[in-house]
Amino acid sequence: DAGVTQSPTHLIKTRGQQVTLRCSPISGHKSVSWYQQVLGQGPQFIFQYYEKEERGRGNFPDRFSARQFPNYSSELNVNALLLGDSALYLCASSLTSGRFYNEQFFGPGTRLTVL
Amino acid sequence: GNSVTQMEGPVTLSEEAFLTINCTYTATGYPSLFWYVQYPGEGLQLLLKATKADDKGSNKGFEATYRKETTSFHLEKGSVQVSDSAVYFCALNGRVEYGNKLVFGAGTILRVKS
Repeated sequence: DAGVTQSPTHLIKTRGQQVTLRCSPISGHKSVSWYQQVLGQGPQFIFQYYEKEERGRGNFPDRFSARQFPNYSSELNVNALLLGDSALYLCASSLTSGRFYNEQFFGPGTRLTVL
Repeated sequence: GNSVTQMEGPVTLSEEAFLTINCTYTATGYPSLFWYVQYPGEGLQLLLKATKADDKGSNKGFEATYRKETTSFHLEKGSVQVSDSAVYFCALNGRVEYGNKLVFGAGTILRVKS
């Protein structure tokens, strides 16, 4: 079975530009979460979506937005890029989203470099 | 809020040495605890987990025990191999009404020499 896939693998942008990152969850998984991993740090939670609804948002500015499609794939958008947005962006999928933990499976990530 | 503190690295060991990576947490309620591993150029892989106090998670020779009294979840392995070289992240998931938000530590680099 295919795992979580993300595209593109690498991306180079300049300050002020906008970027869209894509994620396809494991088949049958209905929840997608996004994390930002700055070099040398642990991943930081950005968003979680379940059944196309936002279920959680981390401490990130409004320049960050996301959505989930009927096929459960997801896009993360970042506007007005800053140098500090350079990071590995990880997508994770899980079966559901609820009070008790559902194991999250991570994709390989998209490496974003902002120049 | 919830937080995770890991021992700083890098940790450098010779092959077959004993490994301990310390992890302590702060959380309200009773979180689930995890260790993830990240190999160079790859995403995160779940190594092991424990969902309640005194549970022991184990996988591939790695073990960690959920200690509520000391709020710790230290990772151990009796004999490391070169192939264990990676970054190890301790994480927790607080039980909230909605959501599967993971809170990660900063990560510990492990280097194993042959």
